[in-house]
Amino acid sequence: AQSVTQLGSHVSVSEGALVLLRCNYSSSVPPYLFWYVQYPNQGLQLLLKYTTGATLVKGINGFEAEFKKSETSFHLTKPSAHMSDAAEYFCAVSGSNQGGKLIFGQGTELSVKP
Amino acid sequence: KAGVTQTPRYLIKTRGQQVTLSCSPISGHRSVSWYQQTPGQGLQFLFEYFSETQRNKGNFPGRFSGRQFSNSRSEMNVSTLELGDSALYLCASSFGTSWDSGANVLTFGAGSRLTVL
Repeated sequence: AQSVTQLGSHVSVSEGALVLLRCNYSSSVPPYLFWYVQYPNQGLQLLLKYTTGATLVKGINGFEAEFKKSETSFHLTKPSAHMSDAAEYFCAVSGSNQGGKLIFGQGTELSVKP
Repeated sequence: KAGVTQTPRYLIKTRGQQVTLSCSPISGHRSVSWYQQTPGQGLQFLFEYFSETQRNKGNFPGRFSGRQFSNSRSEMNVSTLELGDSALYLCASSFGTSWDSGANVLTFGAGSRLTVL
């Protein structure tokens, strides 16, 4: 079965600092990996996805993630945090052996201090 | 183009009642998926509909049901509500079905927040 573990339910950074949100997955088949962001009282918005090809994936709002098969990781980074990045971030995995449904991690709440 | 629209956005019900939530997908999208979001269990898959057929179902009791209409709009119903059904119910649409491809990208609506008293 597939699963996702996000390390750290809360991460706090200063404005302008590096953002690093950790995600490790478990999958018996080649995974498709996603990062979504959720702002208060809103739904989920896709930040980026990895399906095949280049392992470094660039997304919206300056975020990127690197798929590392050997480490079963898909960590999300942003070089310089903005106040507007404060939100909850979800890593998700899907694969053909579960009908393609998304399996989400528990989420990481990012706080950005001025 | 318009995004995924969910109605109602907020509702309060009492135990034992039933509720129906509606989802209008992005124009041209034929697949609708439903997810439940709670603080304790996180985001969990409920079901996916594609071309009016349920393609996949999560591990939820039979009190949770859904359907999809010919215009791709979808409804989900929860009968005999329990306190634990209080949650944010998220609908997501996509052009293709996730059953065929896990690379399918979902666009989510803002959700319907259900409170059961």
